[in-house]
Amino acid sequence: QSVLTQPPSVSGATGQRVTIGCTGSGFNIGAGHDVHWYQLLPETAPKLLIFNSNNRPSGVPDRFSASKSGASASLAITGLQAEDEGDYYCQSYDSGLNALVFGGGTKLTVL
Amino acid sequence: QVQLRESGPGLVKPSQTLSLTCSVSGGSIISPDHYWTWIRQSPGTGLEWMGYIDYKGSNYYHPSLKSRVTMSVDTSKDQFSLSLASVTAADRALYFCARVFRGRSRVNPYHYFYYMDVWGRGTTVTVSS
Repeated sequence: QSVLTQPPSVSGATGQRVTIGCTGSGFNIGAGHDVHWYQLLPETAPKLLIFNSNNRPSGVPDRFSASKSGASASLAITGLQAEDEGDYYCQSYDSGLNALVFGGGTKLTVL
Repeated sequence: QVQLRESGPGLVKPSQTLSLTCSVSGGSIISPDHYWTWIRQSPGTGLEWMGYIDYKGSNYYHPSLKSRVTMSVDTSKDQFSLSLASVTAADRALYFCARVFRGRSRVNPYHYFYYMDVWGRGTTVTVSS
C-alpha cells in the first residue's frame, strides 16, 4: 500500500489531454511538501518530469504540467503521443515516516 | 551528463545478503548538492525508497528497512553501494540507483524537498535457493 494514492490506469487518444491524480495526507502533500513526477518507460532509465510541484527540467516538453492543491496533486499531459505510453509516479516527503514516499504508479495507455 | 549504472548478482539465496553497486560516470560523486539513493520496484507494485548516502558517507535509511540496509560510498571509484541483509522472496525487485537533489522549500523554510534527477536503468534481483 503506497503512501500516495494514484489511479492504477488512465487512457487517452493521440492528441488528447489526460490528467493523473496523486492524493496524500497531512503528513506529506497536505503538510506543504513538494511533489515531483517521474516517467518510467520500458527498458529505459526513469525520467524526472516535474520537480517542486510545477517545474520542468530542461528537455521536458511543455505538454507536461502539474499542479498542487491541499493534500492532492495532479499531472496533466496534453497532445498525447504514442511515446508517452508508460508508467507515471508522484513522489513527495512524509514528515510522519521521515521518508521519501511514492504513489503506486499510473499506467498510461495511448489509444 | 551524469549517468548511473547498477551492477551486481541477479540471483541471491534466501537469508543471504544482497549487494549492488552503482557507478557514476560523466561527473563526480563528490557533490555537496546531492545525495545518492537506492529505490526498488517489486513485481506489480510501486516504487519504494530505501535510503540515501552523501559523498562523505552520511546516510539515512527508510525506517522500515533500517535494520537490514547498509549503504557505502567509494569516492575514488565514483561508486556507491547497497547491502541488504537477510533477504527473502519479498526482496525480489528491480533495483534502481539515482541521484537526489535536496533543497530548502521556498514556501516553508523548515521543509526540505528531495527529488531524483538522474536514474540508472535498474537491475533485477531474484531471491531463490
